[in-house]
Amino acid sequence: DAGITQSPRHKVTETGTPVTLRCHQTENHRYMYWYRQDPGHGLRLIHYSYGVKDTDKGEVSDGYSVSRSKTEDFLLTLESATSSQTSVYFCATWSGGKSTDTQYFGPGTRLTVL
Amino acid sequence: KQEVTQIPAALSVPEGENLVLNCSFTDSAIYNLQWFRQDPGKGLTSLLLIQSSQREQTSGRLNASLDKSSGRSTLYIAASQPGDSATYLCAVYSNYQLIWGAGTKLIIKP
Repeated sequence: DAGITQSPRHKVTETGTPVTLRCHQTENHRYMYWYRQDPGHGLRLIHYSYGVKDTDKGEVSDGYSVSRSKTEDFLLTLESATSSQTSVYFCATWSGGKSTDTQYFGPGTRLTVL
Repeated sequence: KQEVTQIPAALSVPEGENLVLNCSFTDSAIYNLQWFRQDPGKGLTSLLLIQSSQREQTSGRLNASLDKSSGRSTLYIAASQPGDSATYLCAVYSNYQLIWGAGTKLIIKP
């Protein structure tokens, strides 16, 4: 498995508080992604990065921001958490170099906003 | 906008049966298509990746096919076992992103 870690793995927070999730990779992959997974929706893209300091919005970006200051780290921030952001968050990386390349996924972060 | 649909949402079959899971997508201009497995409360396990130039891929009892012109992929599972019980997700590579179906929850009854 690719070396992708997410921290924290579990978090409970209160509405209105800021939350930052971290994704760290050791594969030197160019692309990094943040997804959320909710029952009945599969995975939905929040934001992605195509290089250091290069990011773009995904399908469900409202209420989220991201930063990538180093190749290996991709941070997801909820500026003011809401109950609708209770979800499981997955980070992924992709080298994007060859047609046989797959995205690799972290173990997920379960976030509960009370 | 690319959309991915998986039907049925849930499927329950007796052990030993062969079964087919379906995935359809609206835009045939895809890079690759990938099938994943997810156990309850767990992460994602990649099963098969089919490149856009390929028609099928096989791994053990699993066979995935791709028909870009009709916007369809199928995952065939032979001789199903209780350990195959999980949610199966289909995802399409499009514009450097993965677009996901909602998954098929598979239950194999002993």
